[in-house]
Amino acid sequence: ETGVTQTPRHLVMGMTNKKSLKCEQHLGHNAMYWYKQSAKKPLELMFVYNFKEQTENNSVPSRFSPECPNSSHLFLHLHTLQPEDSALYLCASSQVTRGYGEAFFGQGTRLTVV
Amino acid sequence: SQQGEEDPQALSIQEGENATMNCSYKTSINNLQWYRQNSGRGLVHLILIRSNEREKHSGRLRVTLDTSKKSSSLLITASRAADTASYFCATDLLVPHPGAGSYQLTFGKGTKLSVIP
Repeated sequence: ETGVTQTPRHLVMGMTNKKSLKCEQHLGHNAMYWYKQSAKKPLELMFVYNFKEQTENNSVPSRFSPECPNSSHLFLHLHTLQPEDSALYLCASSQVTRGYGEAFFGQGTRLTVV
Repeated sequence: SQQGEEDPQALSIQEGENATMNCSYKTSINNLQWYRQNSGRGLVHLILIRSNEREKHSGRLRVTLDTSKKSSSLLITASRAADTASYFCATDLLVPHPGAGSYQLTFGKGTKLSVIP
């Protein structure tokens, strides 16, 4: 256990569905992240939240909508996804002061869009 | 944009042998980190080396950093079948942002290590 919990672990959804991924950390970290991992591609940073404020959105399509209600919780709301969005979605947290510290990852949500 | 690039992409060795993986990056960094990922699972942090450090050890792991060449290597000594996993290097980039910069941890594609019993 890394201290970062993601739910659900697996998700199958149709292209017209709306679903949400949840991430929770109780490590006292001030930054949380969503990454997408597709086969044969580098881990892609999607969103960054520092102190609950979104500081990065790496050109992610609007069908992905993040939400960070507090420093311990992070959501990724999904709607009208495409089959190419099928991937492993990883949440991570870290304590960012001057530069990046160690990132703690959740186990990921394996998303399949049908 | 991709910052770290590992090589080789895949490595297969016998148990007991040493495994060496390399990482190259493009811009100045504060630190470089190595992570391990078992198939379909989350990444686990292995070791962090700061830009002013040249070498670091942790158990059977040895990491070197050459900032002049913008490269790092991860050596796993006396490998075990349980070391079979993908290994990623990650570098932090300070990204300008109104009010305060934010750091991004950028990963390479990884090296897939197979240790044959």
